[in-house]
Amino acid sequence: DAGVTQTPRHEVAEKGQTIILKCEPVSGHNDLFWYRQTKIQGLELLSYFRSKSLMEDGGAFKDRFKAEMLNSSFSTLKIQPTEPKDSAVYLCASSKQGTEVFFGKGTRLTVV
Amino acid sequence: TQTVSQSDAHVTVFEGDSVELRCNYSYGGSIYLSWYIQHHGRGLQFLLKYYSGNPVVQGVNGFEAEFSKSDSSFHLRKASVHWSDSAVYFCAASTTNTGKLTFGDGTVLTVKP
Repeated sequence: DAGVTQTPRHEVAEKGQTIILKCEPVSGHNDLFWYRQTKIQGLELLSYFRSKSLMEDGGAFKDRFKAEMLNSSFSTLKIQPTEPKDSAVYLCASSKQGTEVFFGKGTRLTVV
Repeated sequence: TQTVSQSDAHVTVFEGDSVELRCNYSYGGSIYLSWYIQHHGRGLQFLLKYYSGNPVVQGVNGFEAEFSKSDSSFHLRKASVHWSDSAVYFCAASTTNTGKLTFGDGTVLTVKP
């Protein structure tokens, strides 16, 4: 059984570009989460979906960050426009309600 | 709003030693507490979770954690560490039984041979 798959693993963007990160959750999981990880801020929740419905869209990230879940097996996180401070590792996670949360390996974004 | 604090940024032990990684939380209501491990360049992996019942929870690879309401703590322990246990350990809390988690800053565990 495949875990959470994130692509790409690494992304380099120029300031002002639009980037789209992709996530495939574990098959059968109905909860999906996007987190951002930085050395300074640690792990921060960006978005939370339950059965494809957006349950929470992190307040501090609403401005340029948009997560979508068009079907139960695929989610995207769009950052538009990117800024250097967006450089971080973006983690996608999924779970079946109430059970263990599985994390992907993350996408390392560098904005120059 | 719950908060999670991990007082030790770095812990270094020798292989075969026991280790305890500390976690304290701040929240007045029911809370789910969990621990995750992150090896370099990897995503987080679930170790164990507590909500109610026996305050000592067993996890994978010989890890256990003990919940204390009086101390607002959920410390992680292992009796005998292996070099492969070297990683960053995150304590996390949630007010719902979901993956909507508030994480501590993490503790870097280094196991020396």
